[in-house]
Amino acid sequence: DGGITQSPKYLFRKEGQNVTLSCEQNLNHDAMYWYRQDPGQGLRLIYYSQIVNDFQKGDIAEGYSVSREKKESFPLTVTSAQKNPTAFYLCASREYSNQPQHFGDGTRLSIL
Amino acid sequence: GENVEQHPSTLSVQEGDSAVIKCTYSDSASNYFPWYKQELGKRPQLIIDIRSNVGEKKDQRIAVTLNKTAKHFSLHITETQPEDSAVYFCAARLNNAGNMLTFGGGTRLMVKP
Repeated sequence: DGGITQSPKYLFRKEGQNVTLSCEQNLNHDAMYWYRQDPGQGLRLIYYSQIVNDFQKGDIAEGYSVSREKKESFPLTVTSAQKNPTAFYLCASREYSNQPQHFGDGTRLSIL
Repeated sequence: GENVEQHPSTLSVQEGDSAVIKCTYSDSASNYFPWYKQELGKRPQLIIDIRSNVGEKKDQRIAVTLNKTAKHFSLHITETQPEDSAVYFCAARLNNAGNMLTFGGGTRLMVKP
């Protein structure tokens, strides 16, 4: 899984501020995903992208935005509209439709 | 959409005993079921997966069974070791969903030495 890099590892957001989480992969994977994980809970899908310049909303997209301008990059912006952003954010990618998803190390976002 | 229920939420076993975690899914169109292990503060790591055309799969001390009729699948860990302590997540993927996974709520496994 070393080919999926998330940064930063820890991030703090001030009220009213937008912040962007980075996800880069050098695995030449087609699809990329963003999940949110709250303490003691499972993973919930925020957004996903199957090809460059295309992305789809997941189950909890409100207050988030993404872009997929390059195959290797899928940044997630947590906007000020997301009132409860404190969580562990995980990025994942997969090679093609019949392959499993693999995860990055995550970014832990907290409110100042 | 798909809904995945996972039980138990916590499981404590003695080292050397077996552990079983069960998941049920709602959509019979799901065809792929991975299991991930997540240690505290780290990324989930795929430990085993099973496709709907197979009833059982083993990898050393880990096995997964699938009952398509009942729409449930289980993770079995034999001869548990303290390093097996982690949170385990099951997931299900719909056949027509762009490889989106729906995850269960997780099981915290504690193996006591």
